[in-house]
Amino acid sequence: GAVVSQHPSWVICKSGTSVKIECRSLDFQATTMFWYRQFPKQSLMLMATSNEGSKATYEQGVEKDKFLINHASLTLSTLTVTSAHPEDSSFYICSADARQGGYGYTFGSGTRLTVV
Amino acid sequence: DAKTTQPNSMESNEEEPVHLPCNHSTISGTDYIHWYRQLPSQGPEYVIHGLTSNVNNRMASLAIAEDRKSSTLILHRATLRDAAVYYCIPAQGGSEKLVFGKGTKLTVNP
Repeated sequence: GAVVSQHPSWVICKSGTSVKIECRSLDFQATTMFWYRQFPKQSLMLMATSNEGSKATYEQGVEKDKFLINHASLTLSTLTVTSAHPEDSSFYICSADARQGGYGYTFGSGTRLTVV
Repeated sequence: DAKTTQPNSMESNEEEPVHLPCNHSTISGTDYIHWYRQLPSQGPEYVIHGLTSNVNNRMASLAIAEDRKSSTLILHRATLRDAAVYYCIPAQGGSEKLVFGKGTKLTVNP
């Protein structure tokens, strides 16, 4: 139980285009989901907390207009990287709170974004 | 958020026990101690968590110091699949976010 599915697993896009990453909780409902970014050989950096039915809470230094988060249902949160640039190339990981089921915070398998 | 100190890296041999230490001297009384691990190019995976008492599950054991300023993750018999970066994360029970430090990269030698 407590599986989080993240899609796509990798994507290549051109500079200036937008990319949407989906994060789904498959067998539980997730009121709260989290989005992280990880650069090579670095730790995960929390970008924002996504709450179902309300606006996301962004961490300091994360541009909310560039990284659009939508959490319209209890099983789906999306992260859209708008007007992507090469410096946005990174590994993006979502997470959902599955503690009620005793599974801790459950993470997706990540999305490798490459902007060319 | 409580600060953590973990060794940058550790090595172990296959089938031997591994003790991964973590110092969290600024932990608050309500913080749980979470351990996650991340295999290369994957999302983190939950390992174990505890508050005050030692905890065991099928993956590992967690030994928490009496003053709660440090903890040790114990892998009883390391396998090659245990090679990963291990993160120790203090977080409040009611808090909804996990803040990752640098973690310990564990190498398991065959």
